Amino acid sequence: GAVVSQHPSWVICKSGTSVKIECRSLDFQATTMFWYRQFPKQSLMLMATSNEGSKATYEQGVEKDKFLINHASLTLSTLTVTSAHPEDSSFYICSANQGVSNQPQHFGDGTRLSIL
Amino acid sequence: GENVEQHPSTLSVQEGDSAVIKCTYSDSASNYFPWYKQELGKRPQLIIDIRSNVGEKKDQRIAVTLNKTAKHFSLHITETQPEDSAVYFCAASIGGYSTLTFGKGTMLLVSP
Repeated sequence: GAVVSQHPSWVICKSGTSVKIECRSLDFQATTMFWYRQFPKQSLMLMATSNEGSKATYEQGVEKDKFLINHASLTLSTLTVTSAHPEDSSFYICSANQGVSNQPQHFGDGTRLSIL
Repeated sequence: GENVEQHPSTLSVQEGDSAVIKCTYSDSASNYFPWYKQELGKRPQLIIDIRSNVGEKKDQRIAVTLNKTAKHFSLHITETQPEDSAVYFCAASIGGYSTLTFGKGTMLLVSP
């Protein structure tokens, strides 16, 4: 149980393109989803916390107009990287939990984004 | 906010040896401490976790210890195998369902 699916797994696109990444909880309802960015050989850095039915909470230094997050249902959150540039190239990973105490976060497979 | 320090950044051991990775945290309110294993290009996978009401937890070759007073926790892997080679991250949070603060990771290399 507790499977999180992330799509796509790999994206290569031109500078200026907007890219949407989906994160789905397959067998549970996720009231909260988290979006992380991971640069090579570095740790996971939290970008934002996505709450179903409300606005996402962004970490300091993360541009909310650049990284649009939508959590429209209890099983789906999307991250859209708008007008992506080469410096946005990174590994983006989502995680989710049921929002219930004592339930750990489960991670998606991640999306490797390469902007040319 | 919470700050998690992790050491060492790289750890090389021979197959069969034990490996220990240590983390410290700053927020005394943190009460949930998971450990994740991440292989290159893959998702972090939860390997063990511990809550503040427990001092030690073991699962086969993996164990985690927690010292609340000193605010540090450690991952112990015994009888290491080459397939244990990966990057290991510790993390801390309040309640387990809130935001996780990760350490910077430890690259574990197990040589045959």
